[in-house]
Amino acid sequence: AQTVTQSQPEMSVQEAETVTLSCTYDTSESDYYLFWYKQPPSRQMILVIRQEAYKQQNATENRFSVNFQKAAKSFSLKISDSQLGDAAMYFCAYNFGNEKLTFGTGTRLTIIP
Amino acid sequence: GAGVSQSPSNKVTEKGKDVELRCDPISGHTALYWYRQSLGQGLEFLIYFQGNSAPDKSGLPSDRFSAERTGGSVSTLTIQRTQQEDSAVYLCASSTTSGRNEQFFGPGTRLTVL
Repeated sequence: AQTVTQSQPEMSVQEAETVTLSCTYDTSESDYYLFWYKQPPSRQMILVIRQEAYKQQNATENRFSVNFQKAAKSFSLKISDSQLGDAAMYFCAYNFGNEKLTFGTGTRLTIIP
Repeated sequence: GAGVSQSPSNKVTEKGKDVELRCDPISGHTALYWYRQSLGQGLEFLIYFQGNSAPDKSGLPSDRFSAERTGGSVSTLTIQRTQQEDSAVYLCASSTTSGRNEQFFGPGTRLTVL
């Protein structure tokens, strides 16, 4: 079975600095999708970034980028120029085949003004 | 356009009662998912509907849990004889075709079983 592991329950970063959230996963598949979702206190899950496993190029969305290491099964999220609005729970997720998302347990990110 | 909506936002019930949670997906989205988020935990898949296909019920934790989707749109998750361990946030999501596209989430229903 696929599993997703986030080993950092909590992280903090100074405003305007850069922070990296870690995620590893386990799968025997070669073609799959990886996601980072953000969940602020409002509970609304928001897609931050998506990576297709067959693409070697790391995905980037404005201040958010990933470091996708397929052989190592690692998928970290880098947030540059951190802003107060980035404070939230961040979930790494995996998707293959039957379309359900498998989530990690999340990392709570605190932004220090 | 409108996003995924869920009702009620919060539900408090007594142990042993039945509850129904509702999800209205984004119009035109053929796929619908239910997830459960227990306190301090990640999201756990419950059930998946895709068009007219038989739903994937592999994530339902017990036979007290059931869900239906009427007319390919609105979905209802029913929990019978609720237990305290059922207390959680129940999230619904929808997507256009397969889950390889973005899943759009609703705000969730917080269920508290006393």
